Amino acid sequence: AQTVTQSQPEMSVQEAETVTLSCTYDTSESDYYLFWYKQPPSRQMILVIRQEAYKQQNATENRFSVNFQKAAKSFSLKISDSQLGDAAMYFCVSPSGYALNFGKGTSLLVTP
Amino acid sequence: NAGVTQTPKFRVLKTGQSMTLLCAQDMNHEYMYWYRQDPGMGLRLIHYSVGEGTTAKGEVPDGYNVSRLKKQNFLLGLESAAPSQTSVYFCASSYSGRRGRPNEQFFGPGTRLTVL
Repeated sequence: AQTVTQSQPEMSVQEAETVTLSCTYDTSESDYYLFWYKQPPSRQMILVIRQEAYKQQNATENRFSVNFQKAAKSFSLKISDSQLGDAAMYFCVSPSGYALNFGKGTSLLVTP
Repeated sequence: NAGVTQTPKFRVLKTGQSMTLLCAQDMNHEYMYWYRQDPGMGLRLIHYSVGEGTTAKGEVPDGYNVSRLKKQNFLLGLESAAPSQTSVYFCASSYSGRRGRPNEQFFGPGTRLTVL
C-alpha cells in the first residue's frame, strides 16, 4: 500500500520563529500533486499549500513553503514567522490513483 | 456557493441501526470522497467516486455502502451500525487536474457519529 509518513507526532515553536514539518511518501506515479492540509480545533480541513510534481520549483504561499525532493519522495513544510493561529494538526497528503493518502498528522503547538 | 455540505452534523445510533449520511457539493466536481477520522489515525478513505454512477472502495470500506446517483450528491450508508464505526466522517470533492488526477480537495465540516 502506498503510504505517507509524518515522523513528528508533535512539534512546538515559539511565535515569530520558523518550524519545519517532515513528510515522506511513497507513490509509483510520475506526475501528481502533493498537499499540506491544516486542521484547527474547529475540525475544518484547510488547504495550506500544493506542489505539482512536474515542477522543480518549490511552492510557496506567504509564510508557508515546501522543500520538495522528488527523487527522495520527501515533502517538508516550512512555516516562517509562526503565529498563534498556526496551531493546528497538519496533514501531508500524497496521491494514490484517483484518491489521496493522508499521513497521521503532526500536531503543532505555538507558544507566545 | 455553499461548497461541500454534510447532513447531519451529529448523530447517535444504537448498535444495529442504519443511517445515511448525505454529502452535497455545488462546484461541479467530478470526484467525491468519504473519509473517517479517528484519533491518531489521520483520515482514512472509505469509498470514493470518480463520476456520476461510479463508486470504488477505499482503504476501509467494510460495513459501509455508497451511491452517487447525481453528480452533486454522494451518500454514505451504514446498514447495521457497530461501535467500531464511532468516528468523525468527512466528505470531500475534487476537480480533475493534470492527466485526470485529483487536484485540491474541498472538505465538508464533518459529521460526528456515535454508535452505542
